[in-house]
Amino acid sequence: DGGITQSPKYLFRKEGQNVTLSCEQNLNHDAMYWYRQDPGQGLRLIYYSQIVNDFQKGDIAEGYSVSREKKESFPLTVTSAQKNPTAFYLCASSISPYLTGDSNQPQHFGDGTRLSIL
Amino acid sequence: AQSVTQLDSQVPVFEEAPVELRCNYSSSVSVYLFWYVQYPNQGLQLLLKYLSGSTLVKGINGFEAEFNKSQTSFHLRKPSVHISDTAEYFCAVSVSGGYNKLIFGAGTRLAVHP
Repeated sequence: DGGITQSPKYLFRKEGQNVTLSCEQNLNHDAMYWYRQDPGQGLRLIYYSQIVNDFQKGDIAEGYSVSREKKESFPLTVTSAQKNPTAFYLCASSISPYLTGDSNQPQHFGDGTRLSIL
Repeated sequence: AQSVTQLDSQVPVFEEAPVELRCNYSSSVSVYLFWYVQYPNQGLQLLLKYLSGSTLVKGINGFEAEFNKSQTSFHLRKPSVHISDTAEYFCAVSVSGGYNKLIFGAGTRLAVHP
């Protein structure tokens, strides 16, 4: 079955520690996205990648880093510079980085990783 | 820039009653509109989308939404809800023909009571 796998489901971070969230897709999608979800605030875009070896900052990129070395993988690192990392993180992918009237489904989401501070 | 306002943070409703979840957007250019549903501790699932054509859009699980350009609204409706519809619902907007970037509303928590 095709889909997006996020791991781990729960993650704990110590003060001053970097942690990496995994996102793997087997949908052969070109574009991938990372969102942060906080209660009452909806989803906010952290980073997105339109193609392998390319990525752009979203609205709240400070304190985060990403890489896109393979089409199917888009890991997110939450660095120690992110002072308030506790949130639910969602990874998504789409067939194309562009959204046209022919697009079948805009973005397909994983089941998320919940990050907490120890 | 685009923005989305979901007018109700929580909507309680009894089972088998109708429900409407409200969504208004702001944009100076043409947009595409989406409704997603999120069950607890899960990702988002697409309910329906408006890209062009008929302004009444039917989605999964018996939901439908109507695009109203003059009122810049895209309200979600269901004529009879079930307990299993209890979830958080997100309205989102994207610039038509542009990059596949979604702007989300803050969400509406639908609580269906027996």
